[in-house]
Amino acid sequence: DGGITQSPKYLFRKEGQNVTLSCEQNLNHDAMYWYRQDPGQGLRLIYYSQIVNDFQKGDIAEGYSVSREKKESFPLTVTSAQKNPTAFYLCASRTSGTGDFDEQFFGPGTRLTVL
Amino acid sequence: SQQGEEDPQALSIQEGENATMNCSYKTSINNLQWYRQNSGRGLVHLILIRSNEREKHSGRLRVTLDTSKKSSSLLITASRAADTASYFCATDALGYSTLTFGKGTMLLVSP
Repeated sequence: DGGITQSPKYLFRKEGQNVTLSCEQNLNHDAMYWYRQDPGQGLRLIYYSQIVNDFQKGDIAEGYSVSREKKESFPLTVTSAQKNPTAFYLCASRTSGTGDFDEQFFGPGTRLTVL
Repeated sequence: SQQGEEDPQALSIQEGENATMNCSYKTSINNLQWYRQNSGRGLVHLILIRSNEREKHSGRLRVTLDTSKKSSSLLITASRAADTASYFCATDALGYSTLTFGKGTMLLVSP
C-alpha cells in the first residue's frame, strides 16, 4: 500500500520530556509537512521540508524540531520547551516542494497528551 | 495571516438534503482546495480549483470560486450520513510555498 504512516497513534508524555513522532511515506514525494490541530481548530503549520536535508519553520515552530535525512522520513520532536503540546499532530506530503500547490496527502495522525 | 475562514462553523441537515459551505480568504491565490476530515482521522483531499476556474464538479461535489470576492463554496448534493465530517478549505496563496487552512465546517447529516 502506498501512503503515509504515523506512529504512534496515541502518545503520552510527562512534563519535561522530549518525545519524537514518526512520519514515513512511500509515495516518493519530495515535500513533507507537520501540522498541529487543536480541538475545533484548523491546521497550523509547524515545520516543512521541500527537499531532503532542508527544512523551514512554519507558523508555530517554537518548542519543536525536525530532521529530514531521508526522503521518506520526517520525524518531529516535541521538546520540553513546548509549553502546551497536547494536540493532534498531522503529517502530510506532496509530490514537489515547488510550483503551484497540488494535492496534499495526510497521515492518520498522532494524538499527544501531556500528563 | 492569510488564513481562510469557513462559514458556517457547524451545519446540521437531514439525509437527502444539500449542504453548502463557504470559504473566504484574504490574498490572491494560485488555487483553493477542499479537504474532508472524519473525527480523529487525517484529512482527505476532495477537490482543487485553480484561480482561472469558476466552477468544478466531482461526483456529488460542486465547488465554485469567485476571485473578485475572494470566496469559494462547496456544495454536497443529496447528502448521506457518511458525509458527516469536518470540511476545510485551504489556499495556495501567491508568493507562499505552503497551504493555509481554515478552521473548518463541521457537517452532521442525520439519517
